[in-house]
Amino acid sequence: DQQVKQNSPSLSVQEGRISILNCDYTNSMFDYFLWYKKYPAEGPTFLISISSIKDKNEDGRFTVFLNKSAKHLSLHIVPSQPGDSAVYFCAAAEGNEKLTFGTGTRLTIIP
Amino acid sequence: DTAVSQTPKYLVTQMGNDKSIKCEQNLGHDTMYWYKQDSKKFLKIMFSYNNKELIINETVPNRFSPKSPDKAHLNLHINSLELGDSAVYFCASSHHSTRVGAYEQYFGPGTRLTVT
Repeated sequence: DQQVKQNSPSLSVQEGRISILNCDYTNSMFDYFLWYKKYPAEGPTFLISISSIKDKNEDGRFTVFLNKSAKHLSLHIVPSQPGDSAVYFCAAAEGNEKLTFGTGTRLTIIP
Repeated sequence: DTAVSQTPKYLVTQMGNDKSIKCEQNLGHDTMYWYKQDSKKFLKIMFSYNNKELIINETVPNRFSPKSPDKAHLNLHINSLELGDSAVYFCASSHHSTRVGAYEQYFGPGTRLTVT
């Protein structure tokens, strides 16, 4: 049962434009959400997070939006840079330190 | 200076063998994890240790046995390897002192295990 879904396996965006990565979840008990970024041959690295009491969290070029009623979150990257090319994983937690990950979206920034 | 390191990076072995993967973190974290990323790219938690004590143990065959000699190390031993064990195994660590700190996990580079 896949509780966190990233339905787009890949996304290509022109450099300088906005990248929008999407994530849907089914477990209404999830109350904390994170995005991790992964380069080839490396482990995932934490990028940004949001608590369910908020609907937006911003950190520099990265903003995460949470729509609890739709059980949907998204990561916006503005402006997109070549170094942003990576696989992005959405993750969710429900209070027991266990993270449930999506399958990732491969983002390619086109120069 | 690597924060979370794993050895070996690649491991190719035959069915039925026993192998170990080692993990070390120098971040001073008190919680360590093992994750498995299978061929479908699902990244799933297997085990979690806090101060050498097992706190998360997902439905994993008992052929997999984690061992934490101290807070900085969490090793994974696998007995009687099967073809389905082929995957990338990631070690991670975090601070357990706050809930948010526990979620912001630092991952190692992964160990690609291939069972033939």
